[in-house]
Amino acid sequence: NAGVTQTPKFQVLKTGQSMTLQCAQDMNHEYMSWYRQDPGMGLRLIHYSVGAGITDQGEVPNGYNVSRSTTEDFPLRLLSAAPSQTSVYFCASSYSVSGVDTQYFGPGTRLTVL
Amino acid sequence: AQKVTQAQTEISVVEKEDVTLDCVYETRDTTYYLFWYKQPPSGELVFLIRRNSFDEQNEISGRYSWNFQKSTSSFNFTITASQVVDSAVYFCALSEAISSNQFYFGTGTSLTVIP
Repeated sequence: NAGVTQTPKFQVLKTGQSMTLQCAQDMNHEYMSWYRQDPGMGLRLIHYSVGAGITDQGEVPNGYNVSRSTTEDFPLRLLSAAPSQTSVYFCASSYSVSGVDTQYFGPGTRLTVL
Repeated sequence: AQKVTQAQTEISVVEKEDVTLDCVYETRDTTYYLFWYKQPPSGELVFLIRRNSFDEQNEISGRYSWNFQKSTSSFNFTITASQVVDSAVYFCALSEAISSNQFYFGTGTSLTVIP
């Protein structure tokens, strides 16, 4: 199993550009989520999904869109990038959606918005 | 309000010293889980341990041990005989049964082990 994979590893955008961060998992996990990590703030939840076709907002959803058309993939879209979105983005997945389960993280995407 | 507090921002120890990383949490839920993750300089997040709210038994795994105390809402992590490879940022996290698997992370403790 590859686990949770993310692409790209690094990205530089100009303000106003759009892009999609890719996330895929091959563990048949129902739950997937996106976090951003900023210095001194830990990880904060952006969006999450409890299964294909079902998504919901987390703590910091503004400026981001998600969709979940398959169990395996959970892309994160930045519609109009802003410097405040410069961060490291982590995708995570876990097996259970109803209880509390260990989340396994991808390697991260480091995004810089100029 | 911050649900998980890691008051120690940075800690430095000399190799072979013991070190304890503190984690204090806040929740009204009776069913919850606590986690520790390690983030080495390479950047990935590595799962270390999960503990549920009904199991206050301390756990030891090699040089690592965890002390869970509901009375003080703490879940502290001790590394015995620290090694340079232990240098990393360590995150404590809380997940509440009521919150659909949302994790609340602390701000992390950066541990540097000096050879």
